[in-house]
Amino acid sequence: GENVEQHPSTLSVQEGDSAVIKCTYSDSASNYFPWYKQELGKRPQLIIDIRSNVGEKKDQRIAVTLNKTAKHFSLHITETQPEDSAVYFCAAGYNFNKFYFGSGTKLNVKP
Amino acid sequence: DSGVTQTPKHLITATGQRVTLRCSPRSGDLSVYWYQQSLDQGLQFLIQYYNGEERAKGNILERFSAQQFPDLHSELNLSSLELGDSALYFCASSTQAGAGETQYFGPGTRLLVL
Repeated sequence: GENVEQHPSTLSVQEGDSAVIKCTYSDSASNYFPWYKQELGKRPQLIIDIRSNVGEKKDQRIAVTLNKTAKHFSLHITETQPEDSAVYFCAAGYNFNKFYFGSGTKLNVKP
Repeated sequence: DSGVTQTPKHLITATGQRVTLRCSPRSGDLSVYWYQQSLDQGLQFLIQYYNGEERAKGNILERFSAQQFPDLHSELNLSSLELGDSALYFCASSTQAGAGETQYFGPGTRLLVL
């Protein structure tokens, strides 16, 4: 099965700085890599995803990069704001199989 | 609002009891997933249903079971409850069954076992 490792477990940055969260996965068949943001007590919400035929995807201040050879993908948040503070989860999976989530990164953006 | 609904929002029960959690997927979604999130823990996949049939199974205990009905809503049954079953239970839905489908999460049911 898939094994997804996520680092760091906590990340503290100053408002305006960039934040990078990294995930590695084990199953080379995985072809879908979403990122979820979960605020305290709320549901996970999809913020960006990438599929294996793409190396990078950007949506305003958020970007995700994928290196299939090395089996890792990363979330980049630029110009961080206090409202970016939350727990971020990566996940990996492929068709007709289940999803595996990383253990989460608690991001704290200090004003 | 993702369009996925879950009831109840909160549930308090005692050890040894049985509870049923309910999930209604987004309109048009055929696939439902159940996840468990314990305190300060990540999401643990439990089980997936697609158009009424079980599609994939994760780390679901034998005391837990689920089903998806013809109207596509799903129920997660938890029996012989233990203190460690206290957690937030999310369901999610997607259009099709593949892992490449975007999953939309419901607001969760918070279960407290005393």
